[in-house]
Amino acid sequence: QKEVEQDPGPLSVPEGAIVSLNCTYSNSAFQYFMWYRQYSRKGPELLMYTYSSGNKEDGRFTAQVDKSSKYISLFIRDSQPSDSATYLCAMSRNSGNTPLVFGKGTRLSVIA
Amino acid sequence: GAVVSQHPSRVICKSGTSVKIECRSLDFQATTMFWYRQFPKKSLMLMATSNEGSKATYEQGVEKDKFLINHASLTLSTLTVTSAHPEDSSFYICSASLWGGPNEQFFGPGTRLTVL
Repeated sequence: QKEVEQDPGPLSVPEGAIVSLNCTYSNSAFQYFMWYRQYSRKGPELLMYTYSSGNKEDGRFTAQVDKSSKYISLFIRDSQPSDSATYLCAMSRNSGNTPLVFGKGTRLSVIA
Repeated sequence: GAVVSQHPSRVICKSGTSVKIECRSLDFQATTMFWYRQFPKKSLMLMATSNEGSKATYEQGVEKDKFLINHASLTLSTLTVTSAHPEDSSFYICSASLWGGPNEQFFGPGTRLTVL
């Protein structure tokens, strides 16, 4: 079993839809959870960063972490065509300067 | 937010030559930088962890003599692909985390290497 599992998609939704992206993980030592957005041929851009369980909201984006289920989610409200990208979840055990473990990424297309 | 740059953004070279890629943290100091490799439509694969002033830590299966990493300052790490071959063609991305901060990593824009 891989440490981090993420459905690669592709996921196609109409503009304005609510998008739900998810990752599961097997290592209960992970404490720090991140979501990155990557446009084609570009470096990943940090979207959300959360520590331990709970929710975090930033504009149209909400990140949820459920450590008891080893499950994290990213919700995108009122999705826009500009949200079309690959979304990668990432996590780590420790803070400060430790490698991240990434999911495979989910390709999202938002259709106008 | 924290900005990381990479240079060059794109390079095409002949087989057997060496290519150097620079990764710079522009507005913060990074004691640690990470080098990743990404194949088309695949996730990022960690190659090595670059620590300022010390030897890099390579992931299993990554040849340290093939991929030379130097982290001479708190804002610059370099990756040199030595004697490049077509199978080294890939998208190379670096990331850096804030010194003393939480583990939020900020990525460079990537370097696309094509070896003919």
